[in-house]
Amino acid sequence: SQTIHQWPATLVQPVGSPLSLECTVEGTSNPNLYWYRQAAGRGLQLLFYSVGIGQISSEVPQNLSASRPQDRQFILSSKKLLLSDSGFYLCAWSVSSGRRNNEQFFGPGTRLTVL
Amino acid sequence: RKEVEQDPGPFNVPEGATVAFNCTYSNSASQSFFWYRQDCRKEPKLLMSVYSSGNEDGRFTAQLNRASQYISLLIRDSKLSDSATYLCVAYDFNSGNTGKLIFGQGTTLQVKP
Repeated sequence: SQTIHQWPATLVQPVGSPLSLECTVEGTSNPNLYWYRQAAGRGLQLLFYSVGIGQISSEVPQNLSASRPQDRQFILSSKKLLLSDSGFYLCAWSVSSGRRNNEQFFGPGTRLTVL
Repeated sequence: RKEVEQDPGPFNVPEGATVAFNCTYSNSASQSFFWYRQDCRKEPKLLMSVYSSGNEDGRFTAQLNRASQYISLLIRDSKLSDSATYLCVAYDFNSGNTGKLIFGQGTTLQVKP
């Protein structure tokens, strides 16, 4: 069966510090991978998605970046955090085809607080 | 207009009640829909997939009305443990094989004893 891991679970960082969040998927090959952010009391905002190694698409302009160095590894980074980067960061995966069953499965998330 | 719209609620219902949520979508070409459940401070979890006119799983029934472009979720015999936020989701038909989903803002359900 497939599992998705994220770490750390919680993080408190000062403004201006760097960020690196990691997501790994087990039990599947060549998944589509996604990074979302959910601000407190708000809906899910898609930040990045990737359909393969080294392929990253950005959905919104921001000071975050993403990388996919391996098939089942997805990393979210920032060189300098802003207060507005606080939120709940969720990684998700889906099967990489255009089939109808495009369910996405989420990791447990990282709760980031920027002070 | 948002691509997927839901009434945010909250819906406050007593245990044992039947409750229904509606969700509307704007892209008539959308083919696949999903309901996710999100507990407070947790990740969303897939509740049901809706590909044809509807789907039923125990106390939960989802119905799709393509003519009116809405999806509903019916919960029968509500339990305290059903308290959560329910997310209505549509597959982005224009996204090719990227699998991108469009999430509604969610409807909050509180089941009271």
